[in-house]
Amino acid sequence: DAKTTQPTSMDCAEGRAANLPCNHSTISGNEYVYWYRQIHSQGPQYIIHGLKNNETNEMASLIITEDRKSSTLILPHATLRDTAVYYCIVNNYGQNFVFGPGTRLSVLP
Amino acid sequence: GAVVSQHPSWVICKSGTSVKIECRSLDFQATTMFWYRQFPKQSLMLMATSNEGSKATYEQGVEKDKFLINHASLTLSTLTVTSAHPEDSSFYICSARPGSLQHQPQHFGDGTRLSIL
Repeated sequence: DAKTTQPTSMDCAEGRAANLPCNHSTISGNEYVYWYRQIHSQGPQYIIHGLKNNETNEMASLIITEDRKSSTLILPHATLRDTAVYYCIVNNYGQNFVFGPGTRLSVLP
Repeated sequence: GAVVSQHPSWVICKSGTSVKIECRSLDFQATTMFWYRQFPKQSLMLMATSNEGSKATYEQGVEKDKFLINHASLTLSTLTVTSAHPEDSSFYICSARPGSLQHQPQHFGDGTRLSIL
């Protein structure tokens, strides 16, 4: 499975958009990009996933570059409850996810 | 949709005790379930992959005789930590993947915090 690189931490003002980047330069053609978040002492929560097209759901938008070597998760209007560790995972066939350290997002009032 | 329930949420027991953790997919069938472990301030680490009706596949370094996994139905997998010791204290999390399309995302339970005294 391809490895991902994410910033260790980010801050975002409440009400503003949070843009979380992820580099996956070794991604292969049939690997999907998945985003999860983990709030302290809970299991990871699924946010969104995509292959090559941009995706949007009620939680977030996923922007994947044309060469698929990087992606950005966008939380359009961050709230304090969005404070969490965000994980970007690339994976083939949804089998064994490999969790990196993720990005610790702090939404500030 | 895609709710995974894990029970118990936390358990404290004496060293040498065996502990069973249940993972249920409430509104979908899961051919494959996964068990992870997370130590404080670390990321999740996959322990094993559980397939309904067959033996689990364990990751390197995970003792299959210590962490017994049973996946007897499409909605239930169990992890039993046998003869638990303080070093087994951790946050155990299960996940399940719905459907037959292999790119479907995994959905996670809320985890079980295990403390061995």
